[in-house]
Amino acid sequence: AQSVTQPDIHITVSEGASLELRCNYSYGATPYLFWYVQSPGQGLQLLLKYFSGDTLVQGIKGFEAEFKRSQSSFNLRKPSVHWSDAAEYFCAVGAREETSYDKVIFGPGTSLSVIP
Amino acid sequence: DAGVTQSPTHLIKTRGQQVTLRCSPISGHKSVSWYQQVLGQGPQFIFQYYEKEERGRGNFPDRFSARQFPNYSSELNVNALLLGDSALYLCASRKDRGTQHFGDGTRLSIL
Repeated sequence: AQSVTQPDIHITVSEGASLELRCNYSYGATPYLFWYVQSPGQGLQLLLKYFSGDTLVQGIKGFEAEFKRSQSSFNLRKPSVHWSDAAEYFCAVGAREETSYDKVIFGPGTSLSVIP
Repeated sequence: DAGVTQSPTHLIKTRGQQVTLRCSPISGHKSVSWYQQVLGQGPQFIFQYYEKEERGRGNFPDRFSARQFPNYSSELNVNALLLGDSALYLCASRKDRGTQHFGDGTRLSIL
């Protein structure tokens, strides 16, 4: 069965510092992988996605993620965090089996706080 | 183009009541999925509809049902509401494979 773990429930970083959010998944084949961000009271915004090809994926707002098949990981990184990055971050894995089927499994999320 | 729109934004119900949540996908998007997000957790998949047919169902009881209309809008119905149904209900639509666009959700509170 598909599953996603995000080991860090909450992370606090200083503005300007680098950031890495961890994500591990369990899936029988190469999945689709996503990172979403959610600000309080709002829906989910897609930061980046991995379908195939280059394992280093660039996203919006200066984020990037690297797919490591051997470690079943898809960690999110940003070299310099801005105060506006404070939010909840979700890693997610999607099924590949059917072209019209979109079941996506989300991790429990990591809450990011940014201190000035 | 407008994004995914959901209505209402907030809703308060009592136990045992029934509720209907609505979702309008982005124009041209034929797939709509519903998710439940309990406070402090990640979203959980409830349903996916594609071209008005149910294509996927998550691990939710039969009290949850949905449908998709010819204009691709969708409704999520929940009967016999329980306290545990209190959550943010998210709708997502997509046109191409795998890239879902989420609405801001409906916050449902059960008293």
